[in-house]
Amino acid sequence: AQKVTQAQTEISVVEKEDVTLDCVYETRDTTYYLFWYKQPPSGELVFLIRRNSFDEQNEISGRYSWNFQKSTSSFNFTITASQVVDSAVYFCALSEYNFGNEKLTFGTGTRLTIIP
Amino acid sequence: GAGVSQSPRYKVAKRGQDVALRCDPISGHVSLFWYQQALGQGPEFLTYFQNEAQLDKSGLPSDRFFAERPEGSVSTLKIQRTQQEDSAVYLCASTDMGGLGTQYFGPGTRLLVL
Repeated sequence: AQKVTQAQTEISVVEKEDVTLDCVYETRDTTYYLFWYKQPPSGELVFLIRRNSFDEQNEISGRYSWNFQKSTSSFNFTITASQVVDSAVYFCALSEYNFGNEKLTFGTGTRLTIIP
Repeated sequence: GAGVSQSPRYKVAKRGQDVALRCDPISGHVSLFWYQQALGQGPEFLTYFQNEAQLDKSGLPSDRFFAERPEGSVSTLKIQRTQQEDSAVYLCASTDMGGLGTQYFGPGTRLLVL
């Protein structure tokens, strides 16, 4: 069975600080996908990134970066120079290749508060 | 283009009432997923459609939950004889690659059962 653990329930940082959100996953499959979603107070899940298990390259998108390490089954997310608009709940998710039924298994989320 | 839409956004039901939640996926998206998100938790999978076929309903918590997508576009999640434990946000997501693509989510329907 697949599982995603986000051990950090809540994080608060002062604006402009860097912050890293941790994600550890468990799966028996060799082909799988990892995701991060942002859920602002409005409630809609906003897609941030998708990574497949064969691509361990780290990725940077503006102030966001992701570190994928298969050796430790981790897919951590860093926000550089945080802004108040980054305040939200962030979810890490995993799906296993299943012939189209790539249902997502989510972690419990990390609530990030950026203090102005 | 338009994203996934859901209606109603909020629903209050008395215990025992039936409710119907609607999802309009992104136009042309083949696959559609329903998730349930309890307060303070991550979303949990309920069911999956590819076009009009319901290929996986393993996440439906009881036989009071029923989903359909008769024409392969709009989907309806129905909950019969609602219970207080059904209170949650119900999220719909769609993808364009038979489920292999990224899932894009709607705003959800917040259901409160009194």
